[in-house]
Amino acid sequence: GQQVMQIPQYQHVQEGEDFTTYCNSSTTLSNIQWYKQRPGGHPVFLIQLVKSGEVKKQKRLTFQFGEAKKNSSLHITATQTTDVGTYFCAGKPSNTGKLIFGQGTTLQVKP
Amino acid sequence: NAGVTQTPKFQVLKTGQSMTLQCAQDMNHEYMSWYRQDPGMGLRLIHYSVGAGITDQGEVPNGYNVSRSTTEDFPLRLLSAAPSQTSVYFCASSRQGATEAFFGQGTRLTVV
Repeated sequence: GQQVMQIPQYQHVQEGEDFTTYCNSSTTLSNIQWYKQRPGGHPVFLIQLVKSGEVKKQKRLTFQFGEAKKNSSLHITATQTTDVGTYFCAGKPSNTGKLIFGQGTTLQVKP
Repeated sequence: NAGVTQTPKFQVLKTGQSMTLQCAQDMNHEYMSWYRQDPGMGLRLIHYSVGAGITDQGEVPNGYNVSRSTTEDFPLRLLSAAPSQTSVYFCASSRQGATEAFFGQGTRLTVV
């Protein structure tokens, strides 16, 4: 079954509100990656976290990797309409070549 | 730079027909993968390859075959299409190790 779980599945926010999606793995991950897919498009890489407890920022986006390397989160501050899309986390279980994706969180932003 | 190219973009098949989805990359990436995307299910890994001549099963391999005779190409074969295989299929490639995956534009397949 799915080894990487992501919640929530959908999130509707008013423009300017914050947004967070959470990712949990049943196994330890060697790294966690985040992708964004615009409606009708293909997934596009955002960032990769490798170290336990790592935090990275890209403008209004903050990414965290848990201490046990089994969970991660993406937080968007003050959402904009350009943030609309589906956000996926993806992880490589240790000692495998597979990249396993979560179910994704679809973000809608009301202007 | 073409990146990852998938063909066709759209396809309609009748139940029982066979077909091959093509995927080619020009970045000399070792890793290539096939995913299917269904509503609420995210991207599920079908098959992947860590190099020419090496393939392995992902999460949902049944009904699909792959081969990797060259570094550039990674075709996905549906032997006998079923309505349950109606989906959007994405091919992805990446360099060996913990690096980002580059995706093709996707193939929207409908099996009637």
